[in-house]
Amino acid sequence: QKEVEQDPGPLSVPEGAIVSLNCTYSNSAFQYFMWYRQYSRKGPELLMYTYSSGNKEDGRFTAQVDKSSKYISLFIRDSQPSDSATYLCAMKGGSYIPTFGRGTSLIVHP
Amino acid sequence: EAEVAQSPRYKITEKSQAVAFWCDPISGHATLYWYRQILGQGPELLVQFQDESVVDDSQLPKDRFSAERLKGVDSTLKIQPAELGDSAMYLCASSFTSGSNEQFFGPGTRLTVL
Repeated sequence: QKEVEQDPGPLSVPEGAIVSLNCTYSNSAFQYFMWYRQYSRKGPELLMYTYSSGNKEDGRFTAQVDKSSKYISLFIRDSQPSDSATYLCAMKGGSYIPTFGRGTSLIVHP
Repeated sequence: EAEVAQSPRYKITEKSQAVAFWCDPISGHATLYWYRQILGQGPELLVQFQDESVVDDSQLPKDRFSAERLKGVDSTLKIQPAELGDSAMYLCASSFTSGSNEQFFGPGTRLTVL
């Protein structure tokens, strides 16, 4: 079992839908949780990071962390075709190196 | 806006040949990372530098891979000889310090080994 599990998708939604992307993890030492967006043939771009449990909102994006369930989520409101990309979760604990999920491919169709 | 630069963007080579990738991090970033991303997977760390020193190369296949950051600025990753299984995206990232939560990634080098 991998430390970080993420459904690869693809997840296909209509424009304007609320998108929910999720990851589960097994390492209780993880304290920092990050979401990256990766467009095709590009490097990952950090969207948000949170420390420990709770919610964090940035525009149309909301990140949630539930450490008791070892479950993190990224919500995208009013999704746009330009949001079509692969979304990678990443997390780290005492080590400075993040462990990445495999990414979920999101397709937002007009 | 400052960006991490990588070259080449694409590289096609035959197995047993040598290949090299170059990375120029964001100015002032002391920490530099090389990752390998196989299609459909998340990035996996190959090597981490703090200035010119290697901090972590535990996942670097040292029999064929080497990395250097001689002056603590730009970096080169080399593979010799390349194998079919090395086909992947090679990503360079940098951060202001090793403890920073924000890593900035370059566009990557897509390597295809024939």
